[in-house]
Formats: sequence, C-alpha cells, structure tokens
Amino acid sequence: DIQMTQSPSSLSASVGDRVTITCRASRNIARYLNWYQHKPGKAPNLLIYAASNLQSGVPSRFSGSGSGTDFTLTISSLRPEDFATYYCQQTYSVSMYTFGQGTKLEIK
Amino acid sequence: EVQVVESGGGLVKPGGSLRLSCAVSGFIFNSAWINWVRQAPGKGLEWVGRIKSRNDDGTTDYAAPVKGRFTISRDDSTGTVYLQMNALITEDTAVYYCTTEPAYDQNWFDPWGQGTPVTVSS
Repeated sequence: DIQMTQSPSSLSASVGDRVTITCRASRNIARYLNWYQHKPGKAPNLLIYAASNLQSGVPSRFSGSGSGTDFTLTISSLRPEDFATYYCQQTYSVSMYTFGQGTKLEIK
Repeated sequence: EVQVVESGGGLVKPGGSLRLSCAVSGFIFNSAWINWVRQAPGKGLEWVGRIKSRNDDGTTDYAAPVKGRFTISRDDSTGTVYLQMNALITEDTAVYYCTTEPAYDQNWFDPWGQGTPVTVSS
C-alpha cells in the first residue's frame, strides 16, 4: 500500500498569513495527488486535482505543486473561511486509494 | 448540477448488517466510478471502496479493513450505488460519504454527498 504522510498534523495561523502544508508519498505517485478541504458537518470539498490543477470555483489563493513523492498545498493569504482540515489523497494505485492523516488549520 | 445523496445509515448491533444507498443525478452516471469514504469519530478520512463504470469492467476494490465484509454494487438504470455492510464491528462506526470519480482518467473525488452516519453498538 502507498502511505501518505502530511505535515504538520496541526497548524495555528492568522488571517492574512501564507500557509504551506506538505504531503509525502511512500513511493512515486507521479502527479496522482489531490487536495481536499473538510469542515465539521460538511461534505469534503475538492481543491486541487492532479497535483496542481485548481478545481473550478476554488479561490486562486489555493495552489498545489509537486510530483513524484513530495507535494505541497499553499494558501497565499488566509481568510476566516479557510480554517478547516486539509487532506491529501493519492489515486496512483487504482486498487487502493489512500488519504493523508489530515492537517487541522486553526486560528491563532 | 451534480447531486449526490446518501441514505440508509443508522444504529446496528455488532455482527449485524446495513445497506447504504447513494443516489447520483445531474451527470453521466454510467461513465462514473463511485467511491465510498468514511470518517470515524475524531479520525480522518478513510477510503472504503469503489465500483468502476460498467464500460470500465464494473469491478470493485476495497480497503483492507472492510474486504470480505462490505460489497459495493450499482444500478445504472436508477443512478444508484449501494454499500452492503455485513459482520459490522464497532470500528465501522463512522459517517459514510459517497463521492464520484468523473471518469477512468479523472481520478479525483467530486462532488461528495453530505454523508450518512452509521453507529455500531450493542
């Protein structure tokens, strides 16, 4: 199985800050990496697909980069509505998709 | 607009069974791969399993913790996917989400349903 490791597991930041979350795969997954935002009681929301493609309707302050085993999600200037938990996901292994453990982004 | 609506969650005793339904509308259901994802209390997202479209052989894959106990099926005539859960254990307690993978070469999950809660307890 491909393991996905996110860091940090939690993060405190202020409105207007630039934030970066990293995701590392246990082996090469090319660009089969997606990012989701999840708020309590809500459906998860796709932010970035195929490592760096911004999903339609997602604000441009979100961006993704990386390939192979190392990936990043960057929020250029935090807004109040961005405080949530973020997950990376690999879909390289079609028979077994896996998520990272999540990064909880909290208000400082 | 694509809509995904789960139903069928509830309280069940250990060893019992439950069937969840996922109704999908608003797009080409027949070409979509449908996934189930769960979130246990206080935990992260966990992929449960997926059924491919009939055109892509309609096969299923499952995560190790549920393999042999859970079965995913689809009814393309009604745009519905089912998750049959047998031999339930307390660790299966979670909110279960249904989500679509638009096509065989679009391997991301969008959109998602609001989830249906399952509690396994005596």
